[in-house]
Amino acid sequence: KNEVEQSPQNLTAQEGEFITINCSYSVGISALHWLQQHPGGGIVSLFMLSSGKKKHGRLIATINIQEKHSSLHITASHPRDSAVYICAKSNFGNEKLTFGTGTRLTIIP
Amino acid sequence: ETGVTQSPTHLIKTRGQQVTLRCSSQSGHNTVSWYQQALGQGPQFIFQYYREEENGRGNFPPRFSGLQFPNYSSELNVNALELDDSALYLCASSLAGQGKHEQYFGPGTRLTVT
Repeated sequence: KNEVEQSPQNLTAQEGEFITINCSYSVGISALHWLQQHPGGGIVSLFMLSSGKKKHGRLIATINIQEKHSSLHITASHPRDSAVYICAKSNFGNEKLTFGTGTRLTIIP
Repeated sequence: ETGVTQSPTHLIKTRGQQVTLRCSSQSGHNTVSWYQQALGQGPQFIFQYYREEENGRGNFPPRFSGLQFPNYSSELNVNALELDDSALYLCASSLAGQGKHEQYFGPGTRLTVT
């Protein structure tokens, strides 16, 4: 079992739909990261959180430490949101990230 | 843009050869991590350098080695290349801390081994 599990693996939705991507992890963390990867490879950090909820524009990330679960939400989805979304955890003491396998999101106009 | 650069962008090598990939960290960052991402997979941690010393290593053989220089730029060296080494290699820079610092990724180097 991977330390970080994501679901779904693939998600296709219509423009405007509310999107939820889930992430669960098996051991304690210092922080949970949500990242976005576009075709071509570049990875952009969206959120880093260790408790509660963060919001940036149409993106919202939440984390429940007791349940070892995090969600990434996208409101009013748009085709430009199409990308792979990856969650990753970092542990106390170092900056190493352990990644999930990613969720490929496709938003259809 | 994150301020992290990598070179080269693409590289084709033959099995058995050696390769050096380079990463220039974001200004002020003293920690660099290297990751290997095979097609369709999430990135896998190779190793991390903090102030020129290796500070953690993933499940990669010794033919994967690295260096971090006083200006905090970094190299990843892979000897005796194998076909399975074909992947996207990503570096990420950050400030050292208790795993509470955001990481800034470079655009990656795509290595193809034939």
